[in-house]
Amino acid sequence: DIQMTQSPSSVSASVGDRVTITCRASQDISSWLAWYQQTPGKAPKLLIYAASTLQSGVPSRFSGSGSGTEFTLTITSLQPEDIATYYCQEANLFPYTFGQGTKLDIK
Amino acid sequence: QITLKESGPTLVKPTQTLTLTCTFSGFSLTTGGVGVGWIRQPPGKALECLALIYWDDDKRYSPSLKSRLTITKDTSKNQVVLTMTNMDPGDTATYYCAHRKNPAAVFDIWGQGTMVTVSS
Repeated sequence: DIQMTQSPSSVSASVGDRVTITCRASQDISSWLAWYQQTPGKAPKLLIYAASTLQSGVPSRFSGSGSGTEFTLTITSLQPEDIATYYCQEANLFPYTFGQGTKLDIK
Repeated sequence: QITLKESGPTLVKPTQTLTLTCTFSGFSLTTGGVGVGWIRQPPGKALECLALIYWDDDKRYSPSLKSRLTITKDTSKNQVVLTMTNMDPGDTATYYCAHRKNPAAVFDIWGQGTMVTVSS
């Protein structure tokens, strides 16, 4: 399996801040990378796929970048509704491994 | 509008077999490129893909669980069924089914999830 490592595991930020989450793959996955947002008690929501393509309906303050083994999710101007756990997922080879998650809360 | 919903037992005993059903609408599993996957999440832990079935009946399984998993589809009922044998307390989790977005190979629409507890 491809291993996915996220950092940090948790982050606190203020409303309006820029937040960056990093995901590293154990091998080259080109741009086969997705980001999901999960709030407590809810199913994950797809935010970004193909490393940088915004899923329909997702606010433009979310963006993704990277290729190969290093990827980044950026939230510009953090909003209260962005409080959630964020997961990366490789989409190159099944079982499409997820990262361990990054918990984001408001400072 | 695509929707998926999981159903099955909330409690199973160790060594028993778990059978979960995903009933979906808004797409057909006979359409080229379409897939439905099962993903689980133990309480407070990360997500884990278990199995995936494609429109052409091609199947993928998590290597670590392959010997215990079977995924099937019933296109007439718009259902995908996952069976997991020899359940263990470590299999306690919320189990989700999800629609695979083609060709991005990600899960764009998820069911609400069903919590399964393994306990005697």
